[in-house]
Amino acid sequence: NAGVTQTPKFQVLKTGQSMTLQCAQDMNHEYMSWYRQDPGMGLRLIHYSVGAGITDQGEVPNGYNVSRSTTEDFPLRLLSAAPSQTSVYFCASSRQASEYMGYTFGSGTRLTVV
Amino acid sequence: GNSVTQMEGPVTLSEEAFLTINCTYTATGYPSLFWYVQYPGEGLQLLLKATKADDKGSNKGFEATYRKETTSFHLEKGSVQVSDSAVYFCALTSGGSNYKLTFGKGTLLTVNP
Repeated sequence: NAGVTQTPKFQVLKTGQSMTLQCAQDMNHEYMSWYRQDPGMGLRLIHYSVGAGITDQGEVPNGYNVSRSTTEDFPLRLLSAAPSQTSVYFCASSRQASEYMGYTFGSGTRLTVV
Repeated sequence: GNSVTQMEGPVTLSEEAFLTINCTYTATGYPSLFWYVQYPGEGLQLLLKATKADDKGSNKGFEATYRKETTSFHLEKGSVQVSDSAVYFCALTSGGSNYKLTFGKGTLLTVNP
């Protein structure tokens, strides 16, 4: 089925470990974004990309890196995990169009840093 | 900068009750406005949208009207069902940045039979 696929669904890390959250979409969408969701905070933008080879920082980029080598994939790297990065992470994609159609979201990765 | 303020939850209603979730915004230019819904354990889904003033977005019995004069986009449904229990997020894009959503904090709705 077409959509946004995130892996893993759950992950526990120790403080200081690194890992990559995977995100792939098969809809040929130009725009992709990473959000984190924390209780009482809504969703906050971490990084986004408007196309392959182009990325930029969002509202809360510290501690995270991204790259976009292909249209389909947009991995999020945690360089040195901290307890403050315990959160639910959502990847989303959208088509570039004259009328904005909204994002398609993945089902999320629940990350716990101990 | 852009911001979205939506009513604090949680909201608890009985089945067939009328629902209103308030949303107001601050934005540069002419924003597009959205309501997203998140069912338990799932990602967000676009519920409805409006891209210019006085537009009414509607889907699954939910409606919201883009009110430029009051900078509001309140979500309404005439008769809620148990299956509507979810978290509802108001959001916007603005300033030509269609790829950067600004979200409200979300409102948890619980509908009891």
